[in-house]
Amino acid sequence: GAVVSQHPSWVICKSGTSVKIECRSLDFQATTMFWYRQFPKQSLMLMATSNEGSKATYEQGVEKDKFLINHASLTLSTLTVTSAHPEDSSFYICSARDLVAGPYTDTQYFGPGTRLTVL
Amino acid sequence: GESVGLHLPTLSVQEGDNSIINCAYSNSASDYFIWYKQESGKGPQFIIDIRSNMDKRQGQRVTVLLNKTVKHLSLQIAATQPGDSAVYFCAENNGGATNKLIFGTGTLLAVQP
Repeated sequence: GAVVSQHPSWVICKSGTSVKIECRSLDFQATTMFWYRQFPKQSLMLMATSNEGSKATYEQGVEKDKFLINHASLTLSTLTVTSAHPEDSSFYICSARDLVAGPYTDTQYFGPGTRLTVL
Repeated sequence: GESVGLHLPTLSVQEGDNSIINCAYSNSASDYFIWYKQESGKGPQFIIDIRSNMDKRQGQRVTVLLNKTVKHLSLQIAATQPGDSAVYFCAENNGGATNKLIFGTGTLLAVQP
């Protein structure tokens, strides 16, 4: 249980184009999902908190107009990197909070990540 | 600002030995801590978690210890195997309505055969 998937697993795009990444909770419902980015050999940095049915909450320094987040259902959140540039190349990871399973109600489970390369 | 950090960036152990990965946290108000394992090119994998009302919790071959007095967290892996080689992150849940996680810098565990 508590499986989170991401699609695509990797993507290469040209500078100036937009890329959409999907995050799905496969066997549980997630009212809250989180988006992180990770540079090589570094830790995960939270970008934003995605709330089902409402606007996402962005961390300080993250451009909300550049990283569009939509949480349309209890099992799907999307991150769209708009007008991508080479400096946006990174490993993007989502997580979902399972409110029911596990010993604690706020455990986060992570997706496998999406490797974005902007040429 | 608040942060969660690790003492050792790299830990090398022999196969079969026990591993101990340490983590220091700075937010004394945090009440939930998690250890994640991340293999190269993959997302973090949940290992074990602990609430602040406990000081020890055991899983399969893993034990998490929490010392609130000195704000220290550790992950013990018994009989370390080559498959345990990965980067290990501790994470601190800052509570509140959003339950955001603050990740430590990570420790690379290298298991020598």
